[in-house]
Amino acid sequence: ETGVTQSPTHLIKTRGQQVTLRCSSQSGHNTVSWYQQALGQGPQFIFQYYREEENGRGNFPPRFSGLQFPNYSSELNVNALELDDSALYLCASSQGLSQETQYFGPGTRLLVL
Amino acid sequence: AQRVTQPEKLLSVFKGAPVELKCNYSYSGSPELFWYVQYSRQRLQLLLRHISRESIKGFTADLNKGETSFHLKKPFAQEEDSAMYYCALRGGQYGNKLVFGAGTILRVKS
Repeated sequence: ETGVTQSPTHLIKTRGQQVTLRCSSQSGHNTVSWYQQALGQGPQFIFQYYREEENGRGNFPPRFSGLQFPNYSSELNVNALELDDSALYLCASSQGLSQETQYFGPGTRLLVL
Repeated sequence: AQRVTQPEKLLSVFKGAPVELKCNYSYSGSPELFWYVQYSRQRLQLLLRHISRESIKGFTADLNKGETSFHLKKPFAQEEDSAMYYCALRGGQYGNKLVFGAGTILRVKS
């Protein structure tokens, strides 16, 4: 059984650019949640995908979008990057929409200059 | 609105001393509460959840609905407990969404 993996580990972009972050869920998990963790703060919920459909969204603008693929891996896309988008982006996978434990990946650290 | 408050950014104790990491929450329904831990250079991982009512690595936490608190306790701190601890709440419209507090760094000194 493999754990949640994320790529890349680090990324530097400039304002206005677009970025795609990737997440492979843990074996057997069909739900992926994305979180943004700014420096000194706890993770903040961006959105969740269940069986390729968005299933809930936090207080983030539409320029934050995502996808989930048939193998349940997922992408987070951010358009028109702003300086405040600099953060650690975490994905977490779980099995179904019941109250199951979420398992976190190591995160992707994004720096926007 | 759902909110989790961890009032201490840093808690420093000596080895063998008792530990209490505070967590207060705001939620109108019946939430599920968690403690997550992040050790140095490791990923965020679940420490315990209130519905399990179990002790993990000597830590316990009791949900107090009257005080809306879920404090994490350990009677005797060990150096390997040094880490960042996050309290989190789950509930509401999107049942699997977690709302996290800002975290507390626990530093156990020898």
